[in-house]
Amino acid sequence: KQEVTQIPAALSVPEGENLVLNCSFTDSAIYNLQWFRQDPGKGLTSLLLIQSSQREQTSGRLNASLDKSSGRSTLYIAASQPGDSATYLCAPETGANNLFFGTGTRLTVIP
Amino acid sequence: GAGVSQSPSNKVTEKGKDVELRCDPISGHTALYWYRQSLGQGLEFLIYFQGNSAPDKSGLPSDRFSAERTGGSVSTLTIQRTQQEDSAVYLCASSLWTGLNPYGYTFGSGTRLTVV
Repeated sequence: KQEVTQIPAALSVPEGENLVLNCSFTDSAIYNLQWFRQDPGKGLTSLLLIQSSQREQTSGRLNASLDKSSGRSTLYIAASQPGDSATYLCAPETGANNLFFGTGTRLTVIP
Repeated sequence: GAGVSQSPSNKVTEKGKDVELRCDPISGHTALYWYRQSLGQGLEFLIYFQGNSAPDKSGLPSDRFSAERTGGSVSTLTIQRTQQEDSAVYLCASSLWTGLNPYGYTFGSGTRLTVV
């Protein structure tokens, strides 16, 4: 069974800092990996999807990289803003209905 | 629709009552998933529908939980004789799964269920 670990579990940074969230997974035979954002008590918002053949994806201030062979992905957030405060979830997919979620990184950006 | 729609957004019910939660997936998405998230916990898989295939019910926690998907579109999750431990946010997601070229999941905003 896929095990997904996200480090750190919580992160607090001042506004404007660049930061990196880490995700590692044990089964490298993935189809894709998705990064989500979750605000307290809310659903998940998809941020980026990286297909297994890709190395990275970018959207605005977000950049996600994927090293499938080593079972790692990182989410880079540039010039963080208070509105970025949320829990970030990494989710590799190994097949139909095989989406595994990490425990998340809770990010707080201090104004 | 443009996104996954869930209703109601909030539901408070008395212990022992039955509740129905609704999910309207993105049009054309063949796969539909239900998850739940208890306070401070991760996502727990409940049930998965793919096209006309028999659903994967392996995540349903008890026989009080059931779900159906009518016409390959709208899904209803039913919880009978609700218990306080059923209190959670219930999330629905849909995706266009083609087997070889999977696409990402799109989640609804969830239904917050509180059993009092």
